[in-house]
Amino acid sequence: GQQLNQSPQSMFIQEGEDVSMNCTSSSIFNTWLWYKQDPGEGPVLLIALYKAGELTSNGRLTAQFGITRKDSFLNISASIPSDVGIYFCAGPYTASKLTFGTGTRLQVTL
Amino acid sequence: NAGVTQTPKFQVLKTGQSMTLQCAQDMNHEYMSWYRQDPGMGLRLIHYSVGAGITDQGEVPNGYNVSRSTTEDFPLRLLSAAPSQTSVYFCASSPPPGVGNTGELFFGEGSRLTVL
Repeated sequence: GQQLNQSPQSMFIQEGEDVSMNCTSSSIFNTWLWYKQDPGEGPVLLIALYKAGELTSNGRLTAQFGITRKDSFLNISASIPSDVGIYFCAGPYTASKLTFGTGTRLQVTL
Repeated sequence: NAGVTQTPKFQVLKTGQSMTLQCAQDMNHEYMSWYRQDPGMGLRLIHYSVGAGITDQGEVPNGYNVSRSTTEDFPLRLLSAAPSQTSVYFCASSPPPGVGNTGELFFGEGSRLTVL
């Protein structure tokens, strides 16, 4: 099956810092999705990408669909305490099936 | 504004016991699925359904059964619980893929299961 390698596994940053994480696939994807999971909650969709090279923003979050179609990147600018959580990449979307990455756990200190 | 509702939120079982995790959605979504979340392994698909009466296996189906008799409900059954099934379970629903559909899954809050 498809494998998604997500890095880093965890990050400890100070409030105000920028964050970068990435995800690579063993196969070509036609969709990349980024989800965030707050503590004690289910994941929530942040950004969806559909085309190689696509760059999409959602507030302080920016995600890119890699041109090889085997990778994707998520950047968070000027982090704040509510950015704490686990960030998952995922793809592709067929019949309610998503393959999720292993997650990046983000901790933000004041 | 319920969305996807999972019950129970917490459950402790002994090895060999059976139980059912309930999932209900009120968004009239055709597609529903069950994932388990384990540390360092992300979310892995257990079973999914594309409509009432239709179910299929995901990546890790062994030890679990599902059925879909209505659009709203998608219960997950553990027939004989094992310690390896200790995990957090998430139910999700979504509309079918199509034009304008972002591929967004709507998740419940999760059910934390411990098998002793």
